[in-house]
Amino acid sequence: EAGVAQSPRYKIIEKRQSVAFWCNPISGHATLYWYQQILGQGPKLLIQFQNNGVVDDSQLPKDRFSAERLKGVDSTLKIQPAKLEDSAVYLCASSLSSGRTNTGELFFGEGSRLTVL
Amino acid sequence: SQQGEEDPQALSIQEGENATMNCSYKTSINNLQWYRQNSGRGLVHLILIRSNEREKHSGRLRVTLDTSKKSSSLLITASRAADTASYFCALGGYNKLIFGAGTRLAVHP
Repeated sequence: EAGVAQSPRYKIIEKRQSVAFWCNPISGHATLYWYQQILGQGPKLLIQFQNNGVVDDSQLPKDRFSAERLKGVDSTLKIQPAKLEDSAVYLCASSLSSGRTNTGELFFGEGSRLTVL
Repeated sequence: SQQGEEDPQALSIQEGENATMNCSYKTSINNLQWYRQNSGRGLVHLILIRSNEREKHSGRLRVTLDTSKKSSSLLITASRAADTASYFCALGGYNKLIFGAGTRLAVHP
């Protein structure tokens, strides 16, 4: 079974530039998550999709971050314009959970490491 | 805070020793999960323990949950150098999973 795919693995940009990350979850997984992990910290949820609807985006800085999950499959996370404090690893995860249910096991991709200079 | 707090923040042991990591929390939970993250990689799920369970085992891993004290522990027995990683507890709720800051474990040969 193929895992969660993310690209690019690494990206270096200058502040005020834009960047986009792509994620393809495990086939059949209804729920998709984007987490931000700053060095030395735990992952922080940015946005959670169930199929192609948003379940939680309360911690997404909406003035600069946007995300979409068209057709309920793969997803893109965009940052525009980037700030220095956006330097982090952006982790995509998926789970089988669907409907209003307790969150089960998450499957993570390898992450996209962003450096903003 | 809604997230779990791991203790210790860092742990250094020799191969063959046991490693114990703790997670305390303040909110009510439906389940508690433990994940491992090797340097530069994504997180890997280890164990999920439900709020009505007290203990679970998986290979060399043993997880306990005490809902009255709002705490959980992860025990790795007979540790190996390959166990070197960061370990995170995550609080599972209704459509929500919140991670703590993690414990960094170093196992020396």
